[in-house]
Amino acid sequence: NAGVTQTPKFRVLKTGQSMTLLCAQDMNHEYMYWYRQDPGMGLRLIHYSVGEGTTAKGEVPDGYNVSRLKKQNFLLGLESAAPSQTSVYFCASTAGGYNEQFFGPGTRLTVL
Amino acid sequence: GENVEQHPSTLSVQEGDSAVIKCTYSDSASNYFPWYKQELGKRPQLIIDIRSNVGEKKDQRIAVTLNKTAKHFSLHITETQPEDSAVYFCAASSSNYKLTFGKGTLLTVNP
Repeated sequence: NAGVTQTPKFRVLKTGQSMTLLCAQDMNHEYMYWYRQDPGMGLRLIHYSVGEGTTAKGEVPDGYNVSRLKKQNFLLGLESAAPSQTSVYFCASTAGGYNEQFFGPGTRLTVL
Repeated sequence: GENVEQHPSTLSVQEGDSAVIKCTYSDSASNYFPWYKQELGKRPQLIIDIRSNVGEKKDQRIAVTLNKTAKHFSLHITETQPEDSAVYFCAASSSNYKLTFGKGTLLTVNP
C-alpha cells in the first residue's frame, strides 16, 4: 500500500498563476483533509471532506477550492496564487472516529 | 471553535533526561487528544493518543496525561535519545473527524 501520496512534491508559481495539488489514498478512507504548515503556526486546516462528493471549509479556506469527485482523491486548487500562499501543504486521510490521520509527504509551494 | 495552546515552543534537553510538553484546549466537548511527531523534512506521524475517558496512557518511553477539569494534557518522554529530536504537535478533537493542532514544540536532544 502506498498510503497517502501527493503530487507534485515541489512547485514554484508566479503571482496570479493557478495550480492544482493532488492527494490520493489507497486505504478506502472516508475523510480527507488539506492542511498548510507555516513556521511557528502549526498545521492549519484549509478544507476537508467527510465523503465522496462532499467538501467543507476549515480554518483558513480563503483563496483555495477543493473537490472530491472520487473517494480516493482530494484536489486542492489555487485559482490566483499569492505570495501569502507560500507554504508546505499536507494532505491527510482517516477512517473516521478516533482513528489516526495519515499524512502525505507534503508539497512545498513557493509563490513569487 | 476549538483553540489549542502548546508550550514550550522550543525545548532542549540532555540525552537521558525527561522532556515534558504541555497543551491546553478551550472546547470542553473535546474528547480525543493525539500527539504527532514530525522529523525534519518529513510528514507528521501519530505517536500516541488518549481519549477523554482515560487519564493516562503509556507506550514504552512516552506517556500522555489528561486533566479534563483543567482542560490540559501533556506528553512525557523519558530517557530521551537523539532520535527523539523533532517537532511535536498536540491536537484536540470535539468531533470524530476534525483535529485542531497546537503550534508545535521543537525538541532537541543533545548527546
